[in-house]
Amino acid sequence: GENVEQHPSTLSVQEGDSAVIKCTYSDSASNYFPWYKQELGKRPQLIIDIRSNVGEKKDQRIAVTLNKTAKHFSLHITETQPEDSAVYFCAASIRGTGGGNKLTFGTGTQLKVEL
Amino acid sequence: GAVVSQHPSWVICKSGTSVKIECRSLDFQATTMFWYRQFPKQSLMLMATSNEGSKATYEQGVEKDKFLINHASLTLSTLTVTSAHPEDSSFYICSAKTRYQETQYFGPGTRLLVL
Repeated sequence: GENVEQHPSTLSVQEGDSAVIKCTYSDSASNYFPWYKQELGKRPQLIIDIRSNVGEKKDQRIAVTLNKTAKHFSLHITETQPEDSAVYFCAASIRGTGGGNKLTFGTGTQLKVEL
Repeated sequence: GAVVSQHPSWVICKSGTSVKIECRSLDFQATTMFWYRQFPKQSLMLMATSNEGSKATYEQGVEKDKFLINHASLTLSTLTVTSAHPEDSSFYICSAKTRYQETQYFGPGTRLLVL
Protein backbone atom coordinates (compact mmCIF):
# COMPACT_ATOMS: atom_id res chain seq x y z
CA GLY A 1 0.00 0.00 0.00
CA GLU A 2 0.85 3.67 -0.09
CA ASN A 3 3.36 5.08 2.38
CA VAL A 4 3.73 8.81 2.97
CA GLU A 5 6.65 10.29 4.85
CA GLN A 6 6.62 13.86 6.12
CA HIS A 7 9.39 16.14 7.38
CA PRO A 8 10.08 17.91 9.62
CA SER A 9 7.95 16.75 12.53
CA THR A 10 8.26 20.17 14.17
CA LEU A 11 9.04 23.53 12.63
CA SER A 12 9.49 26.82 14.39
CA VAL A 13 9.74 30.06 12.41
CA GLN A 14 9.64 33.75 13.13
CA GLU A 15 6.58 35.69 12.08
CA GLY A 16 6.98 36.86 8.51
CA ASP A 17 9.39 34.09 7.55
CA SER A 18 8.59 31.26 5.15
CA ALA A 19 7.87 27.66 6.16
CA VAL A 20 8.42 24.60 4.01
CA ILE A 21 7.10 21.11 4.73
CA LYS A 22 8.11 18.17 2.57
CA CYS A 23 6.47 14.83 1.86
CA THR A 24 7.39 11.78 -0.17
CA TYR A 25 5.10 9.02 -1.33
CA SER A 26 5.75 5.49 -2.48
CA ASP A 27 3.01 4.56 -4.93
CA SER A 28 3.44 6.05 -8.38
CA ALA A 29 -0.29 5.49 -8.99
CA SER A 30 -1.19 8.21 -6.47
CA ASN A 31 -2.64 11.17 -8.30
CA TYR A 32 -4.13 13.54 -5.74
CA PHE A 33 -2.24 15.28 -2.96
CA PRO A 34 -4.11 17.42 -0.43
CA TRP A 35 -2.74 19.33 2.51
CA TYR A 36 -4.72 19.70 5.72
CA LYS A 37 -4.33 22.03 8.67
CA GLN A 38 -5.48 20.79 12.05
CA GLU A 39 -5.71 22.94 15.13
CA LEU A 40 -5.70 21.26 18.51
CA GLY A 41 -8.86 19.23 19.05
CA LYS A 42 -10.39 20.38 15.78
CA ARG A 43 -11.15 18.80 12.45
CA PRO A 44 -8.58 18.77 9.63
CA GLN A 45 -9.24 21.61 7.21
CA LEU A 46 -8.23 21.37 3.56
CA ILE A 47 -5.93 24.27 2.72
CA ILE A 48 -4.69 23.36 -0.73
CA ASP A 49 -4.48 20.37 -3.01
CA ILE A 50 -2.74 19.40 -6.22
CA ARG A 51 -3.31 16.77 -8.85
CA SER A 52 -0.67 14.80 -10.63
CA ASN A 53 -1.11 16.63 -13.93
CA VAL A 54 0.02 19.89 -12.32
CA GLY A 55 3.49 20.79 -11.04
CA GLU A 56 2.65 23.76 -8.88
CA LYS A 57 -0.36 25.49 -7.42
CA LYS A 58 -0.63 28.70 -5.43
CA ASP A 59 -3.33 30.27 -3.30
CA GLN A 60 -2.33 33.59 -1.75
CA ARG A 61 0.39 32.80 0.84
CA ILE A 62 0.22 29.05 0.31
CA ALA A 63 1.77 27.06 -2.51
CA VAL A 64 2.31 23.41 -3.23
CA THR A 65 4.81 21.85 -5.62
CA LEU A 66 4.80 18.31 -6.96
CA ASN A 67 7.66 16.32 -8.47
CA LYS A 68 6.15 13.12 -9.85
CA THR A 69 9.47 11.69 -10.96
CA ALA A 70 10.95 11.95 -7.49
CA LYS A 71 7.58 11.25 -5.84
CA HIS A 72 7.69 14.18 -3.51
CA PHE A 73 5.59 17.25 -2.88
CA SER A 74 6.02 20.27 -0.66
CA LEU A 75 3.95 22.91 1.08
CA HIS A 76 5.25 26.46 1.13
CA ILE A 77 3.79 29.11 3.42
CA THR A 78 5.10 32.64 2.97
CA GLU A 79 4.80 35.61 5.32
CA THR A 80 3.82 33.35 8.19
CA GLN A 81 1.48 34.65 10.85
CA PRO A 82 0.78 33.39 14.40
CA GLU A 83 -2.57 32.00 13.23
CA ASP A 84 -0.68 29.67 10.90
CA SER A 85 0.46 27.74 14.00
CA ALA A 86 -1.09 24.28 13.80
CA VAL A 87 -0.34 20.72 12.72
CA TYR A 88 -0.13 20.27 8.97
CA PHE A 89 -0.71 16.91 7.29
CA CYS A 90 0.10 15.96 3.75
CA ALA A 91 -1.75 13.09 2.13
CA ALA A 92 -1.72 11.03 -1.02
CA SER A 93 -4.76 9.53 -2.63
CA ILE A 94 -4.99 6.23 -4.42
CA ARG A 95 -8.22 4.87 -5.76
CA GLY A 96 -9.43 2.13 -3.47
CA THR A 97 -11.94 -0.67 -3.72
CA GLY A 98 -15.50 0.45 -4.34
CA GLY A 99 -14.36 3.64 -6.02
CA GLY A 100 -13.55 5.61 -2.92
CA ASN A 101 -10.23 7.43 -3.02
CA LYS A 102 -8.39 6.49 0.15
CA LEU A 103 -6.15 9.10 1.71
CA THR A 104 -2.88 8.02 3.27
CA PHE A 105 -1.65 10.71 5.64
CA GLY A 106 1.83 11.77 6.53
CA THR A 107 2.86 11.88 10.16
CA GLY A 108 2.22 15.60 10.54
CA THR A 109 4.29 18.72 11.12
CA GLN A 110 3.74 20.92 14.16
CA LEU A 111 4.31 24.46 12.89
CA LYS A 112 4.88 27.18 15.45
CA VAL A 113 5.07 30.78 14.33
CA GLU A 114 6.77 32.91 16.95
CA LEU A 115 6.30 36.62 17.38
CA GLY B 1 -20.91 24.40 1.48
CA ALA B 2 -19.48 20.90 2.11
CA VAL B 3 -20.30 20.70 5.80
CA VAL B 4 -19.94 17.46 7.72
CA SER B 5 -21.25 17.04 11.25
CA GLN B 6 -20.61 14.38 13.85
CA HIS B 7 -22.55 13.42 16.92
CA PRO B 8 -21.77 13.18 19.74
CA SER B 9 -18.72 15.42 20.03
CA TRP B 10 -17.55 13.52 23.07
CA VAL B 11 -18.65 10.46 24.97
CA ILE B 12 -17.58 8.70 28.15
CA CYS B 13 -18.66 5.12 28.63
CA LYS B 14 -17.95 2.11 30.78
CA SER B 15 -15.86 -0.78 29.53
CA GLY B 16 -17.99 -3.37 27.77
CA THR B 17 -20.65 -1.02 26.49
CA SER B 18 -21.29 -0.06 22.87
CA VAL B 19 -21.10 3.45 21.49
CA LYS B 20 -22.62 4.75 18.26
CA ILE B 21 -21.18 7.75 16.43
CA GLU B 22 -23.08 9.48 13.64
CA CYS B 23 -21.56 11.27 10.67
CA ARG B 24 -23.76 13.45 8.47
CA SER B 25 -23.13 15.41 5.30
CA LEU B 26 -25.38 18.45 5.68
CA ASP B 27 -25.38 20.01 2.23
CA PHE B 28 -24.16 17.41 -0.22
CA GLN B 29 -24.68 13.78 -1.08
CA ALA B 30 -21.83 11.70 0.27
CA THR B 31 -21.47 8.60 -1.85
CA THR B 32 -18.39 7.64 0.15
CA MET B 33 -17.61 8.18 3.79
CA PHE B 34 -14.43 7.36 5.63
CA TRP B 35 -13.77 6.67 9.29
CA TYR B 36 -10.46 7.57 10.88
CA ARG B 37 -8.97 7.19 14.32
CA GLN B 38 -6.43 9.63 15.71
CA PHE B 39 -4.45 9.07 18.88
CA PRO B 40 -2.88 12.07 20.67
CA LYS B 41 -0.13 13.75 18.67
CA GLN B 42 -0.42 11.17 15.92
CA SER B 43 -1.66 11.13 12.37
CA LEU B 44 -5.05 10.09 11.07
CA MET B 45 -5.31 6.36 10.51
CA LEU B 46 -7.98 5.16 8.12
CA MET B 47 -10.19 2.49 9.65
CA ALA B 48 -12.69 1.85 6.90
CA THR B 49 -14.29 3.14 3.74
CA SER B 50 -18.03 2.95 3.29
CA ASN B 51 -20.01 3.46 0.13
CA GLU B 52 -23.71 4.18 0.35
CA GLY B 53 -25.76 1.02 0.20
CA SER B 54 -22.87 -1.42 0.37
CA LYS B 55 -20.70 -3.05 2.99
CA ALA B 56 -17.75 -1.14 4.38
CA THR B 57 -14.20 -1.99 3.39
CA TYR B 58 -11.96 -2.25 6.42
CA GLU B 59 -8.26 -1.56 6.58
CA GLN B 60 -5.90 -4.30 7.60
CA GLY B 61 -5.88 -4.81 11.34
CA VAL B 62 -9.28 -3.21 11.96
CA GLU B 63 -11.81 -5.67 13.36
CA LYS B 64 -15.04 -5.36 11.42
CA ASP B 65 -17.04 -7.12 14.14
CA LYS B 66 -15.85 -4.60 16.69
CA PHE B 67 -16.25 -1.47 14.58
CA LEU B 68 -19.61 -1.75 12.85
CA ILE B 69 -20.17 0.70 10.03
CA ASN B 70 -23.47 1.43 8.36
CA HIS B 71 -23.94 3.82 5.44
CA ALA B 72 -27.65 3.54 4.83
CA SER B 73 -28.20 6.87 3.08
CA LEU B 74 -26.31 9.48 1.08
CA THR B 75 -26.11 11.75 4.11
CA LEU B 76 -25.55 9.45 7.06
CA SER B 77 -22.96 6.92 8.15
CA THR B 78 -22.66 5.44 11.61
CA LEU B 79 -19.78 3.82 13.45
CA THR B 80 -20.58 1.58 16.40
CA VAL B 81 -17.78 0.61 18.72
CA THR B 82 -18.96 -2.64 20.26
CA SER B 83 -17.85 -3.85 23.67
CA ALA B 84 -15.57 -0.85 24.07
CA HIS B 85 -12.39 -1.14 26.11
CA PRO B 86 -10.01 1.53 27.43
CA GLU B 87 -7.65 0.97 24.49
CA ASP B 88 -10.45 2.08 22.17
CA SER B 89 -10.29 5.56 23.71
CA SER B 90 -9.38 7.88 20.86
CA PHE B 91 -10.52 10.71 18.60
CA TYR B 92 -12.76 9.30 15.86
CA ILE B 93 -13.18 11.46 12.76
CA CYS B 94 -15.30 10.85 9.70
CA SER B 95 -14.96 12.38 6.29
CA ALA B 96 -17.21 12.46 3.28
CA LYS B 97 -16.88 12.97 -0.45
CA THR B 98 -19.05 13.00 -3.50
CA ARG B 99 -18.74 10.46 -6.27
CA TYR B 100 -16.83 12.59 -8.73
CA GLN B 101 -14.56 14.67 -6.50
CA GLU B 102 -11.46 13.59 -4.63
CA THR B 103 -11.79 16.17 -1.87
CA GLN B 104 -12.72 14.77 1.51
CA TYR B 105 -14.50 17.01 4.00
CA PHE B 106 -13.99 16.15 7.62
CA GLY B 107 -16.37 16.11 10.53
CA PRO B 108 -15.44 17.77 13.85
CA GLY B 109 -14.56 14.45 15.44
CA THR B 110 -15.83 12.48 18.42
CA ARG B 111 -13.67 12.05 21.47
CA LEU B 112 -14.30 8.67 23.08
CA LEU B 113 -13.15 7.85 26.58
CA VAL B 114 -13.72 4.33 27.83
CA LEU B 115 -13.37 3.88 31.57
